Amino acid sequence: DTAVSQTPKYLVTQMGNDKSIKCEQNLGHDTMYWYKQDSKKFLKIMFSYNNKELIINETVPNRFSPKSPDKAHLNLHINSLELGDSAVYFCASSPMRALLNTGELFFGEGSRLTVL
Amino acid sequence: KNEVEQSPQNLTAQEGEFITINCSYSVGISALHWLQQHPGGGIVSLFMLSSGKKKHGRLIATINIQEKHSSLHITASHPRDSAVYICAVGGATNKLIFGTGTLLAVQP
Repeated sequence: DTAVSQTPKYLVTQMGNDKSIKCEQNLGHDTMYWYKQDSKKFLKIMFSYNNKELIINETVPNRFSPKSPDKAHLNLHINSLELGDSAVYFCASSPMRALLNTGELFFGEGSRLTVL
Repeated sequence: KNEVEQSPQNLTAQEGEFITINCSYSVGISALHWLQQHPGGGIVSLFMLSSGKKKHGRLIATINIQEKHSSLHITASHPRDSAVYICAVGGATNKLIFGTGTLLAVQP
């Protein structure tokens, strides 16, 4: 059983479209994250949720809207996609509150988004 | 200047060599993470440490809080160790700050 699973793994779409990436974890963790990895492989936090509560919102354009229906799921919806949104998006979960930053991270396999 | 700096950026080694990757940071931290990203793209957490030293198989991670420095060592390196190794620190800003990664290639 995959601990942190993301879908889809690959997503190719046109500028201006709206798309969603889903993430689910079966580890019983309270904290989930979305990270963006750019073309230079640099990872950056986007959002963090603890038990369905938004903890971190890292100056991400409001075209990006995370949604956590329960603590096992954290989905990422992106409106009006732009070329610069092309990247790999990683979901992760952790057993500790994000504020402590002391929990081991478990990553999904990543979702590669290409905006044409 | 990045708050988390890794060196070297690229490293090529022969199978069996002892490898060291360094991470220096400029912020106060509560924990430091070492991550591994394979060519296929998946990311795996190797270590999380806030003091001292941890060992897992052929991998050893150390941290010196006073010097704001951590090292990741790989003993008896193997081609399957080829990956990008990423250092990340978590601290007062409540979010992880990532280094730019070290691309390691171990040749047979």
